[in-house]
Order: sequence, then C-alpha cells, then structure tokens
Amino acid sequence: GAVVSQHPSRVICKSGTSVKIECRSLDFQATTMFWYRQFPKQSLMLMATSNEGSKATYEQGVEKDKFLINHASLTLSTLTVTSAHPEDSSFYICSARRGGGEAFFGQGTRLTVV
Amino acid sequence: GESVGLHLPTLSVQEGDNSIINCAYSNSASDYFIWYKQESGKGPQFIIDIRSNMDKRQGQRVTVLLNKTVKHLSLQIAATQPGDSAVYFCAEMGMDSSYKLIFGSGTRLLVRP
Repeated sequence: GAVVSQHPSRVICKSGTSVKIECRSLDFQATTMFWYRQFPKQSLMLMATSNEGSKATYEQGVEKDKFLINHASLTLSTLTVTSAHPEDSSFYICSARRGGGEAFFGQGTRLTVV
Repeated sequence: GESVGLHLPTLSVQEGDNSIINCAYSNSASDYFIWYKQESGKGPQFIIDIRSNMDKRQGQRVTVLLNKTVKHLSLQIAATQPGDSAVYFCAEMGMDSSYKLIFGSGTRLLVRP
C-alpha cells in the first residue's frame, strides 16, 4: 500500500522557537494533503488542507500565521509551528490522498514545547 | 477545526468474542465513511470503508454497517484478538471538492486475554 512518511517522529523545542514537520508521500503524488492535531485521549482535529502550488485552506479557529503550511511539490508538505508555546504541545498527523481514493496517514509527530 | 473532541469511551471484550464499535456521524451529505485503527503513538491505520450507496461491507474479520436514516456507523470485529486493542475512529467525507476527512469521537477497545 501507499506510504506516507512524517518527520520527525518526536521533537522537543524551547518556547518561542519554530519547528518544521515534514510529510512526504513516498510512492504516489499527492495534490492534497491534510494536517491534523490530536490531544491525548481525543480525536483528530483537522487543522488545514494543503494544496500543491497554492495556499493552504485553514479550518475555523486555526491561526494561519501560527501554523505555516507549504506544499511545494506533489510529494512534500511541511507544517511549521511558529513561536511555539507549551500549549502547542500535541501530536500532529498528516495524511495524503492518492487521486480520488483512500487517504494514507503518516506516523505522527509528537511535539513537546518546554 | 472540525472534530468531536470528546474523551474516549472504552469497550472491554474477552479474547475470541465479537466486538461492536458504534459511531454517529454528523453530516447527512457525507457519502464516504472509513474506520481507522490507531495504536498508541502512531497514525491512524485504514481498516475498512463504505460508500453511502451501500449499507454493509465485509472485510477480513471486520464488517461495517451504515444506517443513513439515523446517521450511524458500526464496526464489527469477529473473534477479537489482543492485537485488536487500540483506539478506533470513524471518519466521514463529503464528495465536495475539498475531500476533507472529519473524524468522529473514538472508542478504545481493550481485549482481555
């Protein structure tokens, strides 16, 4: 099956710094990728839709200047958490759709801001 | 963002028994539904999907039932095994141009040996 790779799997950063998370589709081209955030014992919350070659579409309540998304190629989308604070600590997950079919998920990134 | 961010209910079953996990979805216009399994510290893993023109679909040891009248999905796991212990989420997608997957609240499945 298709593989979506997310990197890093874990990151610890100091408050006020920025962190970049990469999401790659390894064996297919993804015109659309999605970024989710998940707090402990909760469901996945959709943050934004990343569109190759155009601006991301953010869900209501998600700050686009805080969570910068870049989808520079058909196999790579990045999420940058800018000026991270402890409340940004969470599990971030990306997914990529292959054509009009199934969405495949990355393994997630555990962000801890200290 | 869109989500149902409730704390997770837990279903505890004996190994070998059948499990039934339920999900209520929100959008009557959604026409594609998926069940995912998520193990601790990992991303969701596809289990089975169903389109709105069907009311039942079977896979290996799993069956998904869709009741559009009451906007309800269920996942049945036959002969539940310890490896089935995980959190299970249903997700819905509308066939608009966004193709966004919206996740429902999950259920933690614990399999007792």
